[in-house]
Amino acid sequence: NAGVTQTPKFRVLKTGQSMTLLCAQDMNHEYMYWYRQDPGMGLRLIHYSVGEGTTAKGEVPDGYNVSRLKKQNFLLGLESAAPSQTSVYFCASMGRAYEQYFGPGTRLTVT
Amino acid sequence: KQEVTQIPAALSVPEGENLVLNCSFTDSAIYNLQWFRQDPGKGLTSLLLIQSSQREQTSGRLNASLDKSSGRSTLYIAASQPGDSATYLCAVQTSGSRLTFGEGTQLTVNP
Repeated sequence: NAGVTQTPKFRVLKTGQSMTLLCAQDMNHEYMYWYRQDPGMGLRLIHYSVGEGTTAKGEVPDGYNVSRLKKQNFLLGLESAAPSQTSVYFCASMGRAYEQYFGPGTRLTVT
Repeated sequence: KQEVTQIPAALSVPEGENLVLNCSFTDSAIYNLQWFRQDPGKGLTSLLLIQSSQREQTSGRLNASLDKSSGRSTLYIAASQPGDSATYLCAVQTSGSRLTFGEGTQLTVNP
């Protein structure tokens, strides 16, 4: 039981490049989330999903897209990376008791 | 809009001391409140979850209380140890399945 895993752990992009972050969970959870964590701003919700095939916008969705084609996977895409998207990205899933389980994070730098 | 504030932002105590971390939120219409621990460079680990109908939850040396009407929660750590050094975040669940996080309290327990 690996819990929540994220790929990759680190990435450096140039402005304008695109990339996809992968989140996987093996707990059969319906709800999954993508957050970004920045100094002085805490954790902010980017997008979330309440089940396979569904997605919804969070607090800071601009510049990101997501997909949930399979229940266990939640993908976060950056179509044209900007320096303002330099951050640590966390994926989480939520169990039936409302407890959230977090992945180890992806540290992204956009130059 | 729900806002979550944690005071203090940083705290340094000697080993063995009992301590209290504070969390306040602006909208009392919450489903639950969670306390998390984050070690440097790592993801978040859920410590305690208090449902809106509960007053407190305990796990080992940790005790979390909730006063929904006043918009406050406290995390009490008994007999602190150097291994307790980490950032502690509180988060409230309001509408649907979304969490709003505070910025955290960075705790250092000195041997």
